[in-house]
Amino acid sequence: GAGVSQSPRYKVAKRGQDVALRCDPISGHVSLFWYQQALGQGPEFLTYFQNEAQLDKSGLPSDRFFAERPEGSVSTLKIQRTQQEDSAVYLCASSLLTGVNYGYTFGSGTRLTIV
Amino acid sequence: GIQVEQSPPDLILQEGANSTLRCNFSDSVNNLQWFHQNPWGQLINLFYIPSGTKQNGRLSATTVATERYSLLYISSSQTTDSGVYFCANSRDRGSTLGRLYFGRGTQLTVWP
Repeated sequence: GAGVSQSPRYKVAKRGQDVALRCDPISGHVSLFWYQQALGQGPEFLTYFQNEAQLDKSGLPSDRFFAERPEGSVSTLKIQRTQQEDSAVYLCASSLLTGVNYGYTFGSGTRLTIV
Repeated sequence: GIQVEQSPPDLILQEGANSTLRCNFSDSVNNLQWFHQNPWGQLINLFYIPSGTKQNGRLSATTVATERYSLLYISSSQTTDSGVYFCANSRDRGSTLGRLYFGRGTQLTVWP
């Protein structure tokens, strides 16, 4: 597609439920990133894929967070047994891994609220 | 991780005014980028600028890598410039982009 698409746009879940957030990157973009943005803060890195390989997951806050990108395109971020501190905007970004284009393109994010 | 400090944290301007936003880094400047987050939450890439100066319309950016800072200039500001401006840096060199470290942003409000 023309941009990075994320769904759902908004998600409300009860504490303890599992949630799955989807990211559809720009076609052909090799790199895919997930960030978490709390209210009033800058985005914080969660994890990074190059094609289907998860090269860095050091930012995932706990083992309740899991991300996958099985075919090197669409990615899913899953949060198990959600807690209130998981409430945030989850941003996905992709980039074209070449020698000339280094810029990120972000999606509009999924605003997750845990009640 | 890399420390990224942005100033000022808040900026209120009258339409037509000019402004300068600053970003300081604790580590070497590699893949320095400036972003604008509009009131709907969309993060838009403004500049990729690990060094030197770039201009795009009313916006320009300068990075002085040896002194570990970058500046974003907004001239003749408009109400549509309102939002949060972030700078971000990474440790990675060359063509591989990895983890970006973001500052806390500058909240810009432009009044008509």
